[in-house]
Amino acid sequence: EVHLEESGGVVVQPGGSLRLSCAASGFTFGDYAMHWVRQVPGMGLEWVSLISWDGGSTYYADSVKDRFTISRDSDKNSLFLQMTSLRPEDTGLYYCVKVSAPYYDSRSYDSWGQGTPVTVSS
Amino acid sequence: EIVLTQSPGTLSLSPGERATLSCRASQYVGNSDLAWYQQKPGQPPRLLIYETSIRATGIPDRFSGSASGTDFNLTIRRLEPEDFAVYYCQQHGRTPLTFGGGTKVEI
Repeated sequence: EVHLEESGGVVVQPGGSLRLSCAASGFTFGDYAMHWVRQVPGMGLEWVSLISWDGGSTYYADSVKDRFTISRDSDKNSLFLQMTSLRPEDTGLYYCVKVSAPYYDSRSYDSWGQGTPVTVSS
Repeated sequence: EIVLTQSPGTLSLSPGERATLSCRASQYVGNSDLAWYQQKPGQPPRLLIYETSIRATGIPDRFSGSASGTDFNLTIRRLEPEDFAVYYCQQHGRTPLTFGGGTKVEI
């Protein structure tokens, strides 16, 4: 069974930095692209970033480009999101998600973590 | 950026009724690039439909998806109590990936 568990979400001041982690299990992590999606409580879903199955390609939403960095460690079955220059509008629940087919950068999401909450506030 | 516009924002129905949710894309979206998710309070979204019309594993056949041009529909044939939730469409064919704003199906 696929399991994704995010961690690292905390309260941080504007301008601060944070690193989110996602521990994956139950599938061959190194074969699948992984994404981060965020959600403001009570609001909709926003795609944040993706990393290809081999880590060779990364993409970002314009709202986070040049501030966030996605990475992966396939030896440790882990996904990361390094967040810098944080803004109040980055507040939300951050989900680690797995795409449904191997070797594709982007497909539908067949597995989601429970999310880790990030609050950017002074 | 491909904008997905979902309508209605809220759908008030009763168990046993039929629900039709709409998702309109601002540009071409391939049928293989459109998915639907269901989200209940306090839970992450769950994949319902992928590639416009294919039900995900374990999804009952009262859920169906269809498309006509840039218009995509999710139909719930006979609402069960557990179907009252928020539904999102998503296109994943082009970055940035985008979601619709959601349709809440309420009693």
